[in-house]
Amino acid sequence: QSLLTQPPSVSAAPGQKVTISCSGSSSNIGDNYVCWYQQLPGTAPKLIMYENDKRPSGIPDRFSGSKSGSSAALAITGVQTGDEAEYYCGAWDGSLSPFYVFGTGTKVTVL
Amino acid sequence: QVQLQESDPGLVKPSGTLSLTCSVSGVSISSTAYYWGWIRQPPGKGLEWIATMYYGGKTYYNPSLKSRVTISIDTSKNQFSLTLNSMTAADTAVYYCARQDDSPDYWGQGTLVTVSS
Repeated sequence: QSLLTQPPSVSAAPGQKVTISCSGSSSNIGDNYVCWYQQLPGTAPKLIMYENDKRPSGIPDRFSGSKSGSSAALAITGVQTGDEAEYYCGAWDGSLSPFYVFGTGTKVTVL
Repeated sequence: QVQLQESDPGLVKPSGTLSLTCSVSGVSISSTAYYWGWIRQPPGKGLEWIATMYYGGKTYYNPSLKSRVTISIDTSKNQFSLTLNSMTAADTAVYYCARQDDSPDYWGQGTLVTVSS
C-alpha cells in the first residue's frame, strides 16, 4: 500500500514529451525531497533525479524534475526508444519515526 | 567507484530466516555522509523499502516489516547485513542493498531470494 501514487503507464511517440506524476501527502512529498529512478528490465533501479530537480552526473538534460506542494513530476522531453522502462518516485515520510516510500511505478512505452 | 554486492542465499524455507550481506567498495561504510539500506522487489511488482541504517546507530524500519527485521553494520569488513525472520512465500523477491544520501543512490545488482520448501 504505497503512499505515493503514479499512473500505471504513459506512452508517446519518439521525440515527444512524457510527464509522469507522483502524488503524495504533506508528510512525504510535502515535507521532503523527491527522487526518481529508472528501471530497465532485469536490472537494478538507477537514480535519475534527486532533491526534486537535480540530475546525477551522466543523466541527460532531457530528464527534468519538479515538485509542487504534495506532488512531483518527472518529464522526459524528446523521448527515445531507450527510455522505455519502469519509473519510480521515492521520498521519506514522517518525522517522529521516518520511513522511506516508493511510488507505485509507471511504465513508459515509446510507440 | 562505489560498488555494492549482495550475498546469494538462494532458497529459504518457509518459517526460516533470511540472512543477507552487502559488501561495499569504493566508500567507507563508517562515513558519516551516508546511510545504508535494503529494498526488495517481488517478481513483477514494485519496489518496497525494508530498512535503513546510519553508521552512528540510527536505524529506520518499514513499519510493516519492523517486527521481523534486523539490520547491522560491520565496519571491519565494510559490510552491512539484513536478517528477516519468519519468511513466507510473500517474502519471495529480489533483494537490493543501497547506499543512501537521503535517497538510495548507488544500488547493488540484486539477489533473488525464493521462499520454498
